[in-house]
Amino acid sequence: AQRVTQPEKLLSVFKGAPVELKCNYSYSGSPELFWYVQYSRQRLQLLLRHISRESIKGFTADLNKGETSFHLKKPFAQEEDSAMYYCALGGNTGFQKLVFGTGTRLLVSP
Amino acid sequence: GAGVSQTPSNKVTEKGKYVELRCDPISGHTALYWYRQSLGQGPEFLIYFQGTGAADDSGLPNDRFFAVRPEGSVSTLKIQRTERGDSAVYLCASSLTQSSLRSNTGELFFGEGSRLTVL
Repeated sequence: AQRVTQPEKLLSVFKGAPVELKCNYSYSGSPELFWYVQYSRQRLQLLLRHISRESIKGFTADLNKGETSFHLKKPFAQEEDSAMYYCALGGNTGFQKLVFGTGTRLLVSP
Repeated sequence: GAGVSQTPSNKVTEKGKYVELRCDPISGHTALYWYRQSLGQGPEFLIYFQGTGAADDSGLPNDRFFAVRPEGSVSTLKIQRTERGDSAVYLCASSLTQSSLRSNTGELFFGEGSRLTVL
């Protein structure tokens, strides 16, 4: 069965500090991993996906199949990064059944 | 253009009543998804449409839940005999095509959700 674990409900850091939001997954097939973000009073939106290997708003995430992880990182957090972050897993049979983690709220204080 | 539109944004109903939630996807998006998000949880897959047909409804919790997309655009999620446990935010998302998810974007576009409260 597909499962996504985000162990931290809340991550609180100061502006300029490094950030790492943890995500671990369980899936027997070839995974497709995503990070979605929801800013205050906004809709859920895609932040990045592992297959693109890109950096969005300074965030990066590397898929580590050995550790079954897809942690989201940013070297210097900004106040505008404060939001709810969801890790999501899709399988190689299609992405319609994205399985989401429970989310981590990132709070960046000045 | 406009994003995914969901109505109503809030719905309060009594246990046992019937509820309809509407989703208007982005124009031209052939794939449409319904998710449910309970308090403190991530979105949970309910059903996926490709065009007019439900390609995968394995996430619907029971036969009280039903969804349609008769013309391949607007979709309605219908809940019969509502229960308190149905209280959640119901999210709709759309994308260009299923195959486009394997392209460089791989993006689902979500609506703002319909918050359902069953008293």
